[in-house]
Amino acid sequence: DAKTTQPNSMESNEEEPVHLPCNHSTISGTDYIHWYRQLPSQGPEYVIHGLTSNVNNRMASLAIAEDRKSSTLILHRATLRDAAVYYCILKTSGTYKYIFGTGTRLKVLA
Amino acid sequence: ETGVTQTPRHLVMGMTNKKSLKCEQHLGHNAMYWYKQSAKKPLELMFVYSLEERVENNSVPSRFSPECPNSSHLFLHLHTLQPEDSALYLCASSPLAFSNSPLHFGNGTRLTVT
Repeated sequence: DAKTTQPNSMESNEEEPVHLPCNHSTISGTDYIHWYRQLPSQGPEYVIHGLTSNVNNRMASLAIAEDRKSSTLILHRATLRDAAVYYCILKTSGTYKYIFGTGTRLKVLA
Repeated sequence: ETGVTQTPRHLVMGMTNKKSLKCEQHLGHNAMYWYKQSAKKPLELMFVYSLEERVENNSVPSRFSPECPNSSHLFLHLHTLQPEDSALYLCASSPLAFSNSPLHFGNGTRLTVT
């Protein structure tokens, strides 16, 4: 299973953009990049996913490097409700395995 | 409301007890999953069901026994657990097991084994 590497923790000020990095140097051509987040006392929540092109949705944007060895989750304006653990996951197309790492704990400062 | 409901939210059991965790989804999904989340550890995939057939049993001890009677319900039967089994048990569902559709998680059952 391909692995991802994320910083253990990050801090951001409220209403500022946040860039959460993820390295996945062993990614294969059929691996999709998924991001989930887990708020305190809740199960993980889907944020966004992509294969090669950058992706946007109402929650966030996903920027994928041209060589696909890294990606960045972008929260355009962090709020206190965005404080959570963010997981970057590689999922091989055609399989059912989502392999979670330890993620990045995001702290948002008021 | 996440669309995936787990009961109970909290459970305390002795090592000789037998209990069951329940998961229910009304999203029309065909795949259901059990994950274990221990303190300061990544989520561990335990079991996967696709169209009510088990497709993954990730070296989980036999004291954990899953059951999927239909595509909307998933159970985890527990017996003679150990204190190290104390963890948050998360259920998830997805439209299809082998697609890239996102997982939908419940809020988990916090299990404490005494």
